[in-house]
Amino acid sequence: QSALTQPRSVSGSPGQSVTISCTGTSSDVGAYTYVSWYQQHPGKAPELIIYDVSKRPSGVPDRFSGSKSGNTASLTISGLQAEDEADYYCCSYAGTYTILVFGGGTKLTVL
Amino acid sequence: QVQLRESGPGLVKPSETLSLTCAVSGYSISSEFFWGWIRQPPGKGLEWIASIKHSGTTHYNPSLKSRVTISVDTSKNQFSLKLTSVTASDTAVYYCARCSGGSCYRADYWGQGTLITVSS
Repeated sequence: QSALTQPRSVSGSPGQSVTISCTGTSSDVGAYTYVSWYQQHPGKAPELIIYDVSKRPSGVPDRFSGSKSGNTASLTISGLQAEDEADYYCCSYAGTYTILVFGGGTKLTVL
Repeated sequence: QVQLRESGPGLVKPSETLSLTCAVSGYSISSEFFWGWIRQPPGKGLEWIASIKHSGTTHYNPSLKSRVTISVDTSKNQFSLKLTSVTASDTAVYYCARCSGGSCYRADYWGQGTLITVSS
């Protein structure tokens, strides 16, 4: 049981938009802006695509965007492309004791 | 170009100690960043294990803290992880990463990962 709840899977057609939710609590997602998203292709290391809720590292397309409302963070991918098919993980800082929690991951299928 | 490379035994027997090393190239480990370990059991999600700064400041996942030691060797530009009393549930791909902050919520460079299997 992961600390953050993500849908197990989402899907969309090329060109469409999809949103992946990440629900935590008032002790993690709801308390801090230290929320990140990672993309992981099969057999590869995760890649940081969003940090601090909505910031994109250099080189990440602006098709990827992040937001947060209350205890739920969201990742939106617009203009879906075949190469976006991957697993996506959210994580959040959770205070000085727990420190860091991850979501269970969401498999994105591009139809 | 920042590069990280994990090295480890591949196979560890139950109850033994797992030792992993992450060699960093293209960037000094004696910087403002933390350096961390994150693992992923086969077919499952990510779990942060621990992180360290060159000064020796450490942060541990409380669920693993009693079995984990993270250390840094600035002369070799590398850091290491020891996990004691391993069981089958410690079977995972172990990644090392560069982290902004001790929690590793923002890990911008990762190694390719090394699969560690715990089995007799």
